Amino acid sequence: QQQVKQSPQSLIVQKGGISIINCAYENTAFDYFPWYQQFPGKGPALLIAIRPDVSEKKEGRFTISFNKSAKQFSLHIMDSQPGDSATYFCAASTHTDKLIFGTGTRLQVFP
Amino acid sequence: GAVVSQHPSWVICKSGTSVKIECRSLDFQATTMFWYRQFPKQSLMLMATSNEGSKATYEQGVEKDKFLINHASLTLSTLTVTSAHPEDSSFYICSARDNAGEQFFGPGTRLTVL
Repeated sequence: QQQVKQSPQSLIVQKGGISIINCAYENTAFDYFPWYQQFPGKGPALLIAIRPDVSEKKEGRFTISFNKSAKQFSLHIMDSQPGDSATYFCAASTHTDKLIFGTGTRLQVFP
Repeated sequence: GAVVSQHPSWVICKSGTSVKIECRSLDFQATTMFWYRQFPKQSLMLMATSNEGSKATYEQGVEKDKFLINHASLTLSTLTVTSAHPEDSSFYICSARDNAGEQFFGPGTRLTVL
């Protein structure tokens, strides 16, 4: 019940395209859903996060869509750029508990 | 966003020695910090949760006598890998949680045990 399932494992997108990464969870007590971006040899960086009181949050080219009834959330990267090539992790937690991470998605954006 | 630093960024040590890694929240106070381990091309594995002024809570399977955690202040937590062996070689990452519940990660420490 603590798992967060992430797909796909890897994703190849052409420059200018839309990258979509999906996550699903089971624990209905989760109330915080962040996405992290990690470059090789670096720590994860908080990209964008959402709480279940909204269905969508947008920051620049990055959008989280949240479906509470389906217990799913996704990251959309619009106008994908080669600099977006990285590994992306979704996560979930309650406000005071530890983060449960997805397995990661390796995104490659080709020019 | 909030900044978390780690020191050192990389370390090479001989088998049997101990290594200390520092994690600092630079512009906010963190009651809770976390220590993770990450193997190549894998997700982050939580090792322990560190609360300021109290004992750390270790995840199942993590040896607390081998991975000593101290959270002496609201801005500093340390991880000491005692009697390190080659199998302890990994990428260690800390994170700190702010008052809003958001978690910010350090840049990581690459440990190589010869």
